[in-house]
Amino acid sequence: GQQLNQSPQSMFIQEGEDVSMNCTSSSIFNTWLWYKQDPGEGPVLLIALYKAGELTSNGRLTAQFGITRKDSFLNISASIPSDVGIYFCAGVINTGTASKLTFGTGTRLQVTL
Amino acid sequence: NAGVTQTPKFRILKIGQSMTLQCTQDMNHNYMYWYRQDPGMGLKLIYYSVGAGITDKGEVPNGYNVSRSTTEDFPLRLELAAPSQTSVYFCASSPNWGNEKLFFGSGTQLSVL
Repeated sequence: GQQLNQSPQSMFIQEGEDVSMNCTSSSIFNTWLWYKQDPGEGPVLLIALYKAGELTSNGRLTAQFGITRKDSFLNISASIPSDVGIYFCAGVINTGTASKLTFGTGTRLQVTL
Repeated sequence: NAGVTQTPKFRILKIGQSMTLQCTQDMNHNYMYWYRQDPGMGLKLIYYSVGAGITDKGEVPNGYNVSRSTTEDFPLRLELAAPSQTSVYFCASSPNWGNEKLFFGSGTQLSVL
């Protein structure tokens, strides 16, 4: 099946630092999604991107849909302790009856005070 | 507003036992999904349903069965539990075809020993 390579695998940063992570694929996607998973919970959608080159913000989070449609980037500015969690990218292809999502392997973010 | 509710939260099974993971949603969503999450891996789709009475296989369906008798409920059945089915299972729903924004439950952590 399709593979989404997400990097870095994990990050340890200090409160107040900016964070960058990315997701790359050998396949083209119609949509890119970024989810966050808090410990013991299911993933929650942060940002959805629908067009190549699109740049979208949600508070301190900014994500971009890569020009080639094979990658996406997520930036978090001025990190705070509640940013801790696992961040997943997901690429979407719309098939005949349902959208097919492929999830990345996740970036685990730890924030120290 | 409960969203997607999964039970149980944790379960330990012996090899060969069977069990049903329950999932219910109160958002009147047509689409429901079962994913499994293994350490260091992205979420893998097991089965999905586009509406009551209609189910289809995802990426990793072997060893599982599903049914969708109502819009609200989408249980996942393990008939003969195997150690390879040790994982965290997430149920999700979305409202319409082409709407890839999934709402996830909080997960069921299953260990097969």
